[in-house]
Amino acid sequence: NAGVTQNPKFQVLKTGQSMTLQCAQDMNHNSMYWYRQDPGMGLRLIYYSASEGTTDKGEVPNGYNVSRLNKREFSLRLESAAPSQTSVYFCASSLTSGWRVQETQYFGPGTRLLVL
Amino acid sequence: RKEVEQDPGPFNVPEGATVAFNCTYSNSASQSFFWYRQDCRKEPKLLMSVYSSGNEDGRFTAQLNRASQYISLLIRDSKLSDSATYLCVVNDAFNNNDMRFGAGTRLTVKP
Repeated sequence: NAGVTQNPKFQVLKTGQSMTLQCAQDMNHNSMYWYRQDPGMGLRLIYYSASEGTTDKGEVPNGYNVSRLNKREFSLRLESAAPSQTSVYFCASSLTSGWRVQETQYFGPGTRLLVL
Repeated sequence: RKEVEQDPGPFNVPEGATVAFNCTYSNSASQSFFWYRQDCRKEPKLLMSVYSSGNEDGRFTAQLNRASQYISLLIRDSKLSDSATYLCVVNDAFNNNDMRFGAGTRLTVKP
């Protein structure tokens, strides 16, 4: 049981390049999330998928797109990378979302992205 | 004003010390509260949920004060392995996809 896995672990891009960050979970969770973490700031939600087939914007969606490929996989795409997107990206999953309280999110190991 | 605020620290304490962190939140409708732990260059991991009546898990005690809109984490008998950044997380129960994270409080426990 690997939990939440992310690929790649590290990436260096040049401004304007595109890339896709991969995330998969094997806990049969319905909801998945993408966050970014920057120094001195809390994790900020980029996009989430409450269930297979749905995606919604979070707090900082500009410059990103997502795809919920199936129940297990949720990818994040940067179409034209900018230096402001240099960050650590975490994928997370939870059993459900919506009206349930005290729902725990489980995080992947993160992807460290540097945009030059 | 940030929605979830924490003292960034660092808190440097000797082994065996008791240390407490506070976290304030601005959304009075918040319903769910958590403390996560994040080791250097690792992912956040749930330390404990915070219940209205307060709760304890071994050396860790979490308290919630809704009137003043803050939560606290108390660590007793600090261990070297407690060195980490502690993240306060607040969630509006009506939108479980809107978890708000504090920037974290860094703790270093020294021999």
